[in-house]
Amino acid sequence: EPEVTQTPSHQVTQMGQEVILRCVPISNHLYFYWYRQILGQKVEFLVSFYNNEISEKSEIFDDQFSVERPDGSNFTLKIRSTKLEDSAMYFCASTARQAGSPLHFGNGTRLTVT
Amino acid sequence: KNEVEQSPQNLTAQEGEFITINCSYSVGISALHWLQQHPGGGIVSLFMLSSGKKKHGRLIATINIQEKHSSLHITASHPRDSAVYICAVLTGTASKLTFGTGTRLQVTL
Repeated sequence: EPEVTQTPSHQVTQMGQEVILRCVPISNHLYFYWYRQILGQKVEFLVSFYNNEISEKSEIFDDQFSVERPDGSNFTLKIRSTKLEDSAMYFCASTARQAGSPLHFGNGTRLTVT
Repeated sequence: KNEVEQSPQNLTAQEGEFITINCSYSVGISALHWLQQHPGGGIVSLFMLSSGKKKHGRLIATINIQEKHSSLHITASHPRDSAVYICAVLTGTASKLTFGTGTRLQVTL
């Protein structure tokens, strides 16, 4: 069964550094998402992406964050200048249709900012 | 803003028990997802429903749109069912999910 893959599984970075989290969604999916989960807290929506542009973003997704689908297969989340509070598990997800079809999640990237 | 509440927050059951996890939300939705999060962190979609009832193996999900409530049932629970179960709702044409805090289930022998 096709799956969403995320790399790396764990990323450690110093405060102020840029990080890029990578995701390969399922190939025929059209809607892509990033979520994050701070340790011990609930999963939070960051951004949705469709037709090569952001559909919706949360208040968390400020100017430090950006997303890109550079080559038709990868879907990346960039954090320009990481802060300690960016430490979290970041999940990528994709779906074939916006509503009415299941979400497929990647296994997540654990980001640790020191 | 849609609030999603789950109960109970923690649940311990013995193998074979029937389990119910509840989810309530505050505003109208277009769909509700039940998700399973494994101890390693990965998230798996169990159900996506907008009305009625769905069944997959030992798992059953129901939703009552009028009462803004959904339940996830596990029949004949097994230790491998131990995980965090998360309810998440999709509102209107918005593309974002709002997540509940999850129910941590531990099934013992």
